[in-house]
Amino acid sequence: SQTIHQWPATLVQPVGSPLSLECTVEGTSNPNLYWYRQAAGRGLQLLFYSVGIGQISSEVPQNLSASRPQDRQFILSSKKLLLSDSGFYLCAWTGVDETQYFGPGTRLLVL
Amino acid sequence: RKEVEQDPGPFNVPEGATVAFNCTYSNSASQSFFWYRQDCRKEPKLLMSVYSSGNEDGRFTAQLNRASQYISLLIRDSKLSDSATYLCVVNPGGGNKLTFGTGTQLKVEL
Repeated sequence: SQTIHQWPATLVQPVGSPLSLECTVEGTSNPNLYWYRQAAGRGLQLLFYSVGIGQISSEVPQNLSASRPQDRQFILSSKKLLLSDSGFYLCAWTGVDETQYFGPGTRLLVL
Repeated sequence: RKEVEQDPGPFNVPEGATVAFNCTYSNSASQSFFWYRQDCRKEPKLLMSVYSSGNEDGRFTAQLNRASQYISLLIRDSKLSDSATYLCVVNPGGGNKLTFGTGTQLKVEL
């Protein structure tokens, strides 16, 4: 069966520091992968999606970037965090039925 | 107009009640529809897909009305454990990008 992992689970970072969040998927090959952010009390905002290694589409201009160095690895990064980057970051992959399955998420607080 | 709109609630209902949520979507070409459930501080999890003919899974029934561009979720015999936020999700273009509503909060009380 397929599983999706994210780490860390929780992160507190100062403004201006770098960020690296990692997501890995097991039990499937060549999945479509997604990064979402959910701010407090708000809906899920799609940040990036990837259909294959090295292929990244950005949905909104922002302070973040994404990379897919391996088939089942998706990384979200920032060189300098802003206060507005705080939120709940979710990685997801798509099954053959278009359904998206989410990882447990990383809760990021920028101070 | 938002692509997917939901009443944020909260809907406070007693245990055993029947409760229904609606969700409207703006893109008439939308291909597929889902309901997800999100517990507090957790990731969203698929509750059920919504088919044109409607579908039922135990106490949960989902309906699609393409003419009026809305989907609904009916929960019968509500349990305390049904308390969560229910997200309406639409695939607007037939690709693999989904649009999520902001969710409807349900609180089931004793």
